[in-house]
Amino acid sequence: DTAVSQTPKYLVTQMGNDKSIKCEQNLGHDTMYWYKQDSKKFLKIMFSYNNKELIINETVPNRFSPKSPDKAHLNLHINSLELGDSAVYFCASSTRSYEQYFGPGTRLTVT
Amino acid sequence: SQQGEEDPQALSIQEGENATMNCSYKTSINNLQWYRQNSGRGLVHLILIRSNEREKHSGRLRVTLDTSKKSSSLLITASRAADTASYFCATDPYNQGGKLIFGQGTELSVKP
Repeated sequence: DTAVSQTPKYLVTQMGNDKSIKCEQNLGHDTMYWYKQDSKKFLKIMFSYNNKELIINETVPNRFSPKSPDKAHLNLHINSLELGDSAVYFCASSTRSYEQYFGPGTRLTVT
Repeated sequence: SQQGEEDPQALSIQEGENATMNCSYKTSINNLQWYRQNSGRGLVHLILIRSNEREKHSGRLRVTLDTSKKSSSLLITASRAADTASYFCATDPYNQGGKLIFGQGTELSVKP
């Protein structure tokens, strides 16, 4: 009965490759988010979607493209991966201005 | 930077002692939330306090909010080894579309 799930949990890839991370929530929430956590545990929002509409787009390189096929899914596609993209990526969902529920994270390592 | 600041960055205590973590922020907020992150896991929501509230309790957790000082504190009473984790405060600023601004976190270690 996982509330927010992400796949894959680990992703190791080479520079220049394109990869996707998938996220699904079964909580019925209308808002979903992507966060990036760096090696110092600093957590920063990247994107937010509300009812499939992009509402937050922080200053993220356009190599990162979120896609929301429906309210329950928010995927993250990354083109031309760079070393600096290595981090843990978290998906989350909420009803806006309430607590957020986080997925288990995807540890991305770019070599 | 909109990033919140947490203090201390690391805290080591014995089981049974109380742990206090502080958070300061910069903008007006709708609410402030505290999250826990165990090593290698996702964040778990602990407690949310709205801007018109001053104190909130949940089990062994007590959160205070002082909007005039733009600060909050999280108190964990009678700590247990299982409380060992990183604790983050996160603010929901006005007119920011519901995004959360996270602090740097406090790494709490509770020794048995």
